[in-house]
Amino acid sequence: SQKIEQNSEALNIQEGKTATLTCNYTNYSPAYLQWYRQDPGRGPVFLLLIRENEKEKRKERLKVTFDTTLKQSLFHITASQPADSATYLCARADQGGKLIFGQGTELSVKP
Amino acid sequence: GAVVSQHPSRVICKSGTSVKIECRSLDFQATTMFWYRQFPKKSLMLMATSNEGSKATYEQGVEKDKFLINHASLTLSTLTVTSAHPEDSSFYICSAQSPGLYSYEQYFGPGTRLTVT
Repeated sequence: SQKIEQNSEALNIQEGKTATLTCNYTNYSPAYLQWYRQDPGRGPVFLLLIRENEKEKRKERLKVTFDTTLKQSLFHITASQPADSATYLCARADQGGKLIFGQGTELSVKP
Repeated sequence: GAVVSQHPSRVICKSGTSVKIECRSLDFQATTMFWYRQFPKKSLMLMATSNEGSKATYEQGVEKDKFLINHASLTLSTLTVTSAHPEDSSFYICSAQSPGLYSYEQYFGPGTRLTVT
């Protein structure tokens, strides 16, 4: 079965630094990976989608990479702010658009 | 942007009763909606895929007679937890997908916290 694995340990960084979150997948490469942000008690919010044939994608302070050799996607937040503190979820899409989520990585940005 | 609402946001019910949760796409038509549940500090677990006008497709291990899903229109899907038990207490989240939007982006509702006493 297809799996998505994220570092379950919380990531604590200082404001202004770059946060890097890791997402690894098993078996065949998905056509694309998606990254979501989830705040406590709320539904996930879509952030970025990166296709298999794209190495990198950017949106403002966010950057996502996709390495099919390593079977890995990295999610970067540059110039991090306390407001970036949340849980970040990586997901791969299955047939019919079903999403398979990783367990999420909790990011805490300290002022 | 695409907005999905859920109602209620929180519900407390007694064991043995049924609870209905609504999921609405407010500014787009959703041919497909998904229902997830999430336990504290855990990831989202897909329960079922709901397609407008047809029967829902349930994931392995999800009891279709317990979690009734109806997708009666392009903007509304409902999840009914029947004969609820304390172990059904969880955070239920729906998402909507539309062919008019980027194919595989999903827009999530704010979630419904169900507590069964």
